[in-house]
Parts: sequence; structure tokens; C-alpha cells
Amino acid sequence: GESVGLHLPTLSVQEGDNSIINCAYSNSASDYFIWYKQESGKGPQFIIDIRSNMDKRQGQRVTVLLNKTVKHLSLQIAATQPGDSAVYFCAENPPGGYNKLIFGAGTRLAVHP
Amino acid sequence: EPEVTQTPSHQVTQMGQEVILRCVPISNHLYFYWYRQILGQKVEFLVSFYNNEISEKSEIFDDQFSVERPDGSNFTLKIRSTKLEDSAMYFCASRRGRLAITDTQYFGPGTRLTVL
Repeated sequence: GESVGLHLPTLSVQEGDNSIINCAYSNSASDYFIWYKQESGKGPQFIIDIRSNMDKRQGQRVTVLLNKTVKHLSLQIAATQPGDSAVYFCAENPPGGYNKLIFGAGTRLAVHP
Repeated sequence: EPEVTQTPSHQVTQMGQEVILRCVPISNHLYFYWYRQILGQKVEFLVSFYNNEISEKSEIFDDQFSVERPDGSNFTLKIRSTKLEDSAMYFCASRRGRLAITDTQYFGPGTRLTVL
């Protein structure tokens, strides 16, 4: 099952390099943000999250940076591996309850050996 | 590790027919969601469900859509009279429902709906 389109921005990197994927979110009052990874034919898989009272959070090989001034999120992947190849979506939780997620458009990450 | 499951993986139907998409959320989760993703587009929120009622729905979720939790494990999305534009991947998600704001939604693998 295809879950990605023909016109997604694509980031191509060499295996072992660091990757940076960017996302602009829409609501300045959103208080929670998540990065998801989506492989072909699969559902979004949680990678890392961050609250609006933080500007950086680190996980295993991944770091999320939040710049509320310009409503920008980035996902940094260290030592990118072929298994990291996927589409990456940022999602925001707008105010008014802990319910729906608003997804960004997605970026395709292609890792070359 | 517990995961959200969905059936069927692929559903083909004729325009005007009713379809029911099924989901089994993670067992101790309390909040349930449906999202859809039209080919080439981003994931879109449809509806959220808590305590046996809809807590929020989007403009997409019109009278042709309904959700139900018929028992303690299943969560279904029904489309009464499918249209061509309903063709999409439909994802179910669930979250624990703790008080902490960072309560992640976990997604199922999706059902591909094709309306002919």
C-alpha cells in the first residue's frame, strides 16, 4: 500500500551522514509536537516528541529542535542508516484538548549506501 | 510490544456501498481516533472517540461516517454510501489517556479503501 506521493520533498543522504528534516507548523498555540516515520504500506510510527516548553529533546540517534518564534520543528538523525529511509511527518497538537493531531506534508528521506 | 491492529488491509467496494473498517486499539488505551491519507497527501484527522462518544470530528466526517465501539476491544469506522473520493488509506490510532500532555497516539498499519 502506497502512503507517499510523487511530489513530496526528498532529502537524499549518504549512509553514515547526519540528516536534518524540517517542518513548519501552523498554530502558534500548539503545545505538543511529534515526529512520525512512515514506511511504505505502514502506519505512522512514533519517533520522538517535544512539549512547547522545551526547545530541544534527544533520543537514540534522533534529536528534535523546536523554534516557537518561527513555528519551526526539525528532526536530526545521526549516522543515517538505510533503514531510516521513509517519509517523515511532523504533527502538532493544537490547543483545546488532547485530541486531534495536525500533520505536516511530509519529507521523503532516501539513504544511499 | 502492544500494537494497534486493523482489518482488512485492503477493501475494494463499489460506489454507493457501505463499508466497515475495523480496528483493535491497544488494550489499556482510552482514546481512539480515525485518520485518513489520500494518495499523495498528508494524514488528515477524521474523528476522536472517548468514553463511548465522539469528542471531536473534522469537516470530512459528515453524516456518511459513523464510529462505534461495539465491545471492549473493537473500534469501527462505517461509511454508509461510499464515494470515489473516499478512496484512501484509513488509519486507526489510540492513546493511553494519562493526564500528562505528552501522551502519544499510536497508529495501526492502515486499511486501504478503494472505491470503484
